[in-house]
Amino acid sequence: GNSVTQMEGPVTLSEEAFLTINCTYTATGYPSLFWYVQYPGEGLQLLLKATKADDKGSNKGFEATYRKETTSFHLEKGSVQVSDSAVYFCALRGGFKTIFGAGTRLFVKA
Amino acid sequence: GAGVSQSPSNKVTEKGKDVELRCDPISGHTALYWYRQSLGQGLEFLIYFQGNSAPDKSGLPSDRFSAERTGGSVSTLTIQRTQQEDSAVYLCASSLAPSGWYTEAFFGQGTRLTVV
Repeated sequence: GNSVTQMEGPVTLSEEAFLTINCTYTATGYPSLFWYVQYPGEGLQLLLKATKADDKGSNKGFEATYRKETTSFHLEKGSVQVSDSAVYFCALRGGFKTIFGAGTRLFVKA
Repeated sequence: GAGVSQSPSNKVTEKGKDVELRCDPISGHTALYWYRQSLGQGLEFLIYFQGNSAPDKSGLPSDRFSAERTGGSVSTLTIQRTQQEDSAVYLCASSLAPSGWYTEAFFGQGTRLTVV
């Protein structure tokens, strides 16, 4: 079946550091891929998405590229801010069901 | 409302009691999903509704869990004879008809259930 594996956290970075959160997936067919973010005390919200191979999703300085050859969708940001502290979930959608990874907690220190 | 609304936001219940969790999806969204987020865990799929029917109930952990949706809108997740392992945040999401691969799911803020 479909599955998503993402790097374990927590990840602790200093402000303006480079961020990578790894995500790999297993799926049949051609799923859509997503990153969701959950800020403290808030609900999940979509951060970015990519619907086919080689697509790059981007939002708020975050980027992720749909790599079919490596079945990956790593999240990157060139310079993190304290306000980026949150839990990040990689997700895959094949059909109606969205499958989520376990989440990676990011702490950004001033 | 503008977003997915869940109630209550917090629920503390005694072991063995029944609880009902409510979800109001975004108006016009025909697809509705329930997920469970346990402490330190990812999101666990529970059930999916298309309209009032549930084509996939495969994620419901046991027969103590049931869900229904009426009028293609509000959904209720019921947990009977709650156990401590049921403690989690229960998240509801809705989306437009799921026939497309691109449809984004919008999440409510969740109901935090604590079974004592």
